[in-house]
Amino acid sequence: AQSVSQHNHHVILSEAASLELGCNYSYGGTVNLFWYVQYPGQHLQLLLKYFSGDPLVKGIKGFEAEFIKSKFSFNLRKPSVQWSDTAEYFCAVNANTGRRALTFGSGTRLQVQP
Amino acid sequence: EAGVTQSPTHLIKTRGQQATLRCSPISGHTSVYWYQQALGLGLQFLLWYDEGEERNRGNFPPRFSGRQFPNYSSELNVNALELEDSALYLCASSLGPFTQYFGPGTRLTVL
Repeated sequence: AQSVSQHNHHVILSEAASLELGCNYSYGGTVNLFWYVQYPGQHLQLLLKYFSGDPLVKGIKGFEAEFIKSKFSFNLRKPSVQWSDTAEYFCAVNANTGRRALTFGSGTRLQVQP
Repeated sequence: EAGVTQSPTHLIKTRGQQATLRCSPISGHTSVYWYQQALGLGLQFLLWYDEGEERNRGNFPPRFSGRQFPNYSSELNVNALELEDSALYLCASSLGPFTQYFGPGTRLTVL
C-alpha cells in the first residue's frame, strides 16, 4: 500500500522567508502528485498538481513543487512567504492504478509571523 | 461556477444511531469521493462513486455505505455510530481520473 510522509509537522517562519515543505511517498509505480492547502476556516483547495511532463510544476500564489522520481519526493517551495500563507498544507498521492483513492500525508501547519 | 457543496454543516448523533451526509458535485463532474478527517488519523479515503456505482472502497467497515444518484449527487450513510466516527467528512468530485475538488465538509459528532 502506498504511504505519504510529511516530515515537518509545524513550521514557523517570518514574512519574506523562503519555504520548503518535504513530502515523500512510497510506491514503485506511476503516481499523480498533489499539494492541497487549507486556510483557517476554509475548505481544502488545490495548490498544484503533477501528472506527467516537466517535473517542476507551478501552482497558485507563487508556490512550486519539484518531483524527483529517484527520491520519491515532491517538495513544495515558495521563495518568499506572506502572512496570508498561514495554513495547513497536505501532500497527496494517487497511484495511477485506476482506483482513484488519494493517500494524504499528515499535513504541515505553517505559521507565518508578520 | 459553484463548487462542491455538502450538507449539513454539523451533525450531532448518539452512539448506535445512523447518520446521513449529503454531497453535490461540481456541475459536470461524474465522480464523487468521500474522505474522513479524524483527529490524529489524518485524511483517509472512504468511498468512490462513479456513474451510480461504487468503484472503490477504503479500509472502513461495511456500516459505512453510500450511493450516488442519477444527478451525480451522493449520500454517505454511517450506521450503528461509534464514538470514534466523530470526524470531518469531506466530499470531493472530479471529471474523470483527474483532480479531485473538495467541499467544506460535514462535522459529525457522536455522543
